[in-house]
Amino acid sequence: AQSVAQPEDQVNVAEGNPLTVKCTYSVSGNPYLFWYVQYPNRGLQFLLKYITGDNLVKGSYGFEAEFNKSQTSFHLKKPSALVSDSALYFCAVRERGWGKLQFGAGTQVVVTP
Amino acid sequence: DSGVTQTPKHLITATGQRVTLRCSPRSGDLSVYWYQQSLDQGLQFLIQYYNGEERAKGNILERFSAQQFPDLHSELNLSSLELGDSALYFCASSVLQNTEAFFGQGTRLTVV
Repeated sequence: AQSVAQPEDQVNVAEGNPLTVKCTYSVSGNPYLFWYVQYPNRGLQFLLKYITGDNLVKGSYGFEAEFNKSQTSFHLKKPSALVSDSALYFCAVRERGWGKLQFGAGTQVVVTP
Repeated sequence: DSGVTQTPKHLITATGQRVTLRCSPRSGDLSVYWYQQSLDQGLQFLIQYYNGEERAKGNILERFSAQQFPDLHSELNLSSLELGDSALYFCASSVLQNTEAFFGQGTRLTVV
């Protein structure tokens, strides 16, 4: 059975510092991996995805993520965090084929000025 | 704006009642997903349809049912509602099963 874990409930970072949000997954075969962001009282917004190819994926708003097959991880990164990046971030995984799109528990990011 | 439309935005109803949540996917998207988001359970996958057919099923209660119609809109029916069913219900759509899903703004259901 597939699963996805976000080990940190909350990440605190100062504005201008690098931001990393961790995600590990368990799935049979090669996965499809996604990151989403949710602002208060809003739906989830797509940030980036890994389907195949280059392990470093670039997405919206300066975010990027690195797919590491050996560590089954897909950590989200941003070189310089902004206060406006404060939000709830979700990692999602899907098995190839008709597997369900499953989300992690979410990580609250707090960026302080 | 993701292009996914959910109605209504808010719904307050009593225990034991039945409600229907509606979702219109983005133009051209064939796949529709339903999720429940509550404070203690996170984002739970309920069910996925592709071009009218059920494709994947999650932890959807027997009191809940869904369908995707020929015009590709989808409805989630919740019956015999309990207090614990109070949550945000999200619909999402995607072109294919391996592409990113785009989420609607959600329907906030409050059962009193």
